[in-house]
Amino acid sequence: SAVISQKPSRDICQRGTSLTIQCQVDSQVTMMFWYRQQPGQSLTLIATANQGSEATYESGFVIDKFPISRPNLTFSTLTVSNMSPEDSSIYLCSVETGGSPYEQYFGPGTRLTVT
Amino acid sequence: AQSVAQPEDQVNVAEGNPLTVKCTYSVSGNPYLFWYVQYPNRGLQFLLKYITGDNLVKGSYGFEAEFNKSQTSFHLKKPSALVSDSALYFCALGYSSASKIIFGSGTRLSIRP
Repeated sequence: SAVISQKPSRDICQRGTSLTIQCQVDSQVTMMFWYRQQPGQSLTLIATANQGSEATYESGFVIDKFPISRPNLTFSTLTVSNMSPEDSSIYLCSVETGGSPYEQYFGPGTRLTVT
Repeated sequence: AQSVAQPEDQVNVAEGNPLTVKCTYSVSGNPYLFWYVQYPNRGLQFLLKYITGDNLVKGSYGFEAEFNKSQTSFHLKKPSALVSDSALYFCALGYSSASKIIFGSGTRLSIRP
């Protein structure tokens, strides 16, 4: 497993602004993922972030809205740009540690409220 | 196409009774199946996984899951429920060469004293 931290844990932001969420892992991992969990909903994958390459976005998510950085094997950021109330969600990062295929471990999440 | 379904939005069980949270899946090829739990205001915690081998998989906190290939199911079970088991449970399926997983809609488990 891995220990994953996220900053901030929660934030309240105004419409039109941007927020950058940080994800830190206690070990080097190749694959990191960013998810969104809208209120009362399941998790939806936003993008896969591998170190040394551009993030790969899922259908419905674009780089201009959710730019991602992955500068090294223990850290990643997700920015939520030009926010609207519809962006109010929990944002979670996860990592695949290599123990088993598809086995992911999740950070505690960032609860974002856009007013 | 791959999919995972949790047919129950909510499951209510009395403390001490056995519990079952249902999950069915659809995938071409071998399934990689997982259960996660989410407590209020916390991230997802890994409970258990099925990759291959024994159909009965044991995980954290006394939970187990039974893989049934003929019924394409992976139900989560616990012999004796605790109030502290009350949480949101997600079934997940690994489905692509890019290590992606998809999540079921979630089942809220409520254990009454």
